[in-house]
Amino acid sequence: SQTIHQWPATLVQPVGSPLSLECTVEGTSNPNLYWYRQAAGRGLQLLFYSVGIGQISSEVPQNLSASRPQDRQFILSSKKLLLSDSGFYLCAWSTRDTETQYFGPGTRLLVL
Amino acid sequence: AQKVTQAQTEISVVEKEDVTLDCVYETRDTTYYLFWYKQPPSGELVFLIRRNSFDEQNEISGRYSWNFQKSTSSFNFTITASQVVDSAVYFCALLSGAGSYQLTFGKGTKLSVIP
Repeated sequence: SQTIHQWPATLVQPVGSPLSLECTVEGTSNPNLYWYRQAAGRGLQLLFYSVGIGQISSEVPQNLSASRPQDRQFILSSKKLLLSDSGFYLCAWSTRDTETQYFGPGTRLLVL
Repeated sequence: AQKVTQAQTEISVVEKEDVTLDCVYETRDTTYYLFWYKQPPSGELVFLIRRNSFDEQNEISGRYSWNFQKSTSSFNFTITASQVVDSAVYFCALLSGAGSYQLTFGKGTKLSVIP
């Protein structure tokens, strides 16, 4: 069966510091991968998605970036965090022949 | 543009009561997919169901049932005989447009089941 991992689970970072969140999927090949953000009191917003290694599409302009160095690894990064980057970050995957997205456990990020 | 409206922000019910969570969607596409996800306090989004736009058949899974009506653009979710473990935030979502990857989520309905 497929599983999705995210780490760290919780992160507290000062403003201006860098960020790296990692997501890995097991049990499937060539998945589509997604990064979502859920800010406090707001809905979920798609940040990036990837249909293959090195292929990244951005949905929202911001100071975040994403990379996919391996087939089942998706990384969310920032060079300098802003207070507004605080939130709950969720990684998701789907297969090429189904529209259902399955979510990971998430990372809670607090920028102080 | 796609839009999902969950008008109920919070609902409280007493255990064993039935509860219906409303979802209204907007899209101009003829092919689309509707989803319900459950977000317990731990935060992980748990997939519950997917419906295709061309399949209006309602579905029942245990205590859960879903009513999809294209005529009113609604995809409502009913929990029968609610339990405390059903307490969570429930999200309705829409995937619309050929080749689209972007799920459009409603703002969620927080359900509290009181013992």
